Amino acid sequence: EVQLVETGGGLIQPGGSLRLSCAASGFIVSRNYMAWVRQAPGKGLEWVSVIYGGGTTQYADSVKGRFTLSRDSSKNTLNLQMNSLRAEDTAVYYCAGGKGDFDIWGQGTMVTVSS
Amino acid sequence: DIQMTQSPSSLSASVGDRVTITCRATQGIRNDLAWYQQKAGKAPKRLIYTASSLQSGVPSRFSGSGSGTEFTLTISSLQPEDFATYYCLQHNTYPWTFGQGTKVEIK
Repeated sequence: EVQLVETGGGLIQPGGSLRLSCAASGFIVSRNYMAWVRQAPGKGLEWVSVIYGGGTTQYADSVKGRFTLSRDSSKNTLNLQMNSLRAEDTAVYYCAGGKGDFDIWGQGTMVTVSS
Repeated sequence: DIQMTQSPSSLSASVGDRVTITCRATQGIRNDLAWYQQKAGKAPKRLIYTASSLQSGVPSRFSGSGSGTEFTLTISSLQPEDFATYYCLQHNTYPWTFGQGTKVEIK
């Protein structure tokens, strides 16, 4: 069964750091576009970042310079290092993957940035 | 950045109704557009890719059309399980952008 499972969410103070991971099964992370999409409480979907090909990454302007996306082919996982977190980063973070856009999604992990 | 404007933002419809949702892009995106369905508390589910290709396992009452700047998602006969929020996503130009969503509610 193809599955993505996110871990690493939680409550963090403004200015803090958090690392999200996405473990894939039945799906090769390095052979697909892999992304994070977030959804603030009661709001719509927001694309955050994507990695593809040989490791090329792209970021939304709202997270550029603060978030770093990487993948670990040996563990078949996707990671999102989030630094300098702000209240507006509070959201459910979904891992998603596919050949162009996203046909496989994880269940999401909640990140709350609050003092 | 390419803005995706979805309309309407919400609609009320009855079981059996034909429903059409539109997404307009601020510049041409060829057919690099997908449609997703999201139910409360759940992850999005892809319905349509490359503007008009039906995702495997998705009922044939869902269809997509369009190219360039204007796209539509049509549900030919609304079923009880279709009440949800629908989003379009353009993946032609970075940053990729979603429409703001269309909530389909029961009349």
